[in-house]
Amino acid sequence: AQSVAQPEDQVNVAEGNPLTVKCTYSVSGNPYLFWYVQYPNRGLQFLLKYITGDNLVKGSYGFEAEFNKSQTSFHLKKPSALVSDSALYFCAVRDDPGGYQKVTFGTGTKLQVIP
Amino acid sequence: DVKVTQSSRYLVKRTGEKVFLECVQDMDHENMFWYRQDPGLGLRLIYFSYDVKMKEKGDIPEGYSVSREKKERFSLILESASTNQTSMYLCASSGHLSFSYEQYFGPGTRLTVT
Repeated sequence: AQSVAQPEDQVNVAEGNPLTVKCTYSVSGNPYLFWYVQYPNRGLQFLLKYITGDNLVKGSYGFEAEFNKSQTSFHLKKPSALVSDSALYFCAVRDDPGGYQKVTFGTGTKLQVIP
Repeated sequence: DVKVTQSSRYLVKRTGEKVFLECVQDMDHENMFWYRQDPGLGLRLIYFSYDVKMKEKGDIPEGYSVSREKKERFSLILESASTNQTSMYLCASSGHLSFSYEQYFGPGTRLTVT
């Protein structure tokens, strides 16, 4: 079975400071990992993914994420937060041998960037 | 530009009514998904489809059914709506089965059952 955990319901960060949104996962095979963002009253938008290769993945809007196999983590990061980054962020995982493209989502982390 | 559309943004129905939620994608994607989103619970998969007329149960299929008669359209049906089905419903689609493509989401339908 696959699972993903986002340990923080909310993260507050000052504008201009670096931000980190945490995600840990559990799979039986090789993980496919994703981050999505949801702005108020909108559907989810894809940010970035890790399938294989370089552990540091770069995505949209200046976000990046680091895959750490030993810690089973895939934390989302950005060097300098913007107020417009305030949104709900979801981590998701798919187990490589998991058959059809069933993806498990975390419960979400609300990011609040304070001006 | 990729697009997933859902038939309604807001819907109010009465308990016991049959409810249809429609989703259409224009990307020729094989896979389509229905999720419900509830605060503190994240996204939970209701059903997904990997081909026309094919469907698989997700994590919470009880009280729901689906239909996929055409590749671009995936419908979610609440046979007899109940108040505990009040939620945000999100449709998504993704590409080829063999690759873990990202999912593209519609704007969501906020369903209220009274």
